[in-house]
Amino acid sequence: EPEVTQTPSHQVTQMGQEVILRCVPISNHLYFYWYRQILGQKVEFLVSFYNNEISEKSEIFDDQFSVERPDGSNFTLKIRSTKLEDSAMYFCASSLTGGEFTEAFFGQGTRLTVV
Amino acid sequence: AQSVTQLGSHVSVSEGALVLLRCNYSSSVPPYLFWYVQYPNQGLQLLLKYTTGATLVKGINGFEAEFKKSETSFHLTKPSAHMSDAAEYFCASSNFGNEKLTFGTGTRLTIIP
Repeated sequence: EPEVTQTPSHQVTQMGQEVILRCVPISNHLYFYWYRQILGQKVEFLVSFYNNEISEKSEIFDDQFSVERPDGSNFTLKIRSTKLEDSAMYFCASSLTGGEFTEAFFGQGTRLTVV
Repeated sequence: AQSVTQLGSHVSVSEGALVLLRCNYSSSVPPYLFWYVQYPNQGLQLLLKYTTGATLVKGINGFEAEFKKSETSFHLTKPSAHMSDAAEYFCASSNFGNEKLTFGTGTRLTIIP
């Protein structure tokens, strides 16, 4: 069964360092998303991406964040200069379309720890 | 703005007992509603969703949920819990399908043998 895969499963980085979280969406999907969950808090929407551009982003997704689909298979989230408060579980998701009758498939998440 | 509230961050039920996980939503218009499940070391998996039509929605693994507009609720139930149901469950809402999901904080379900 097709699945969304995320690497690494756990990343530890020092404050101020750049980090790239990687995702391989399901191959025929067209919409891509990043969400995050700070420990004990809600899963929060970060950004959606379609047709090689951001279609929507939340207030969290500031200039420190960027997304890219560098090739036909990967979808990455970059945090330029990590802060302690960026420590969270980051989920990638993809869907075939953006309508309500399609399903978003989520990866297993990358746990980012900023020290 | 939408919000989703899940009552109870941890719920424990005995094997064979009724599972009831609560979700209430706040939205200016009737939203689309979802329940996702996360098993250990796995991604979020869609259990069921409500978009329009029948208010009682059946999902995978014997789960169902009922949309009650008057109570702004979308509680998840399963008549008889199984050990394999132990997981974290997330309620979510959207106004335009999957383009932006608003999640609750999640409920960890423990099954007691």
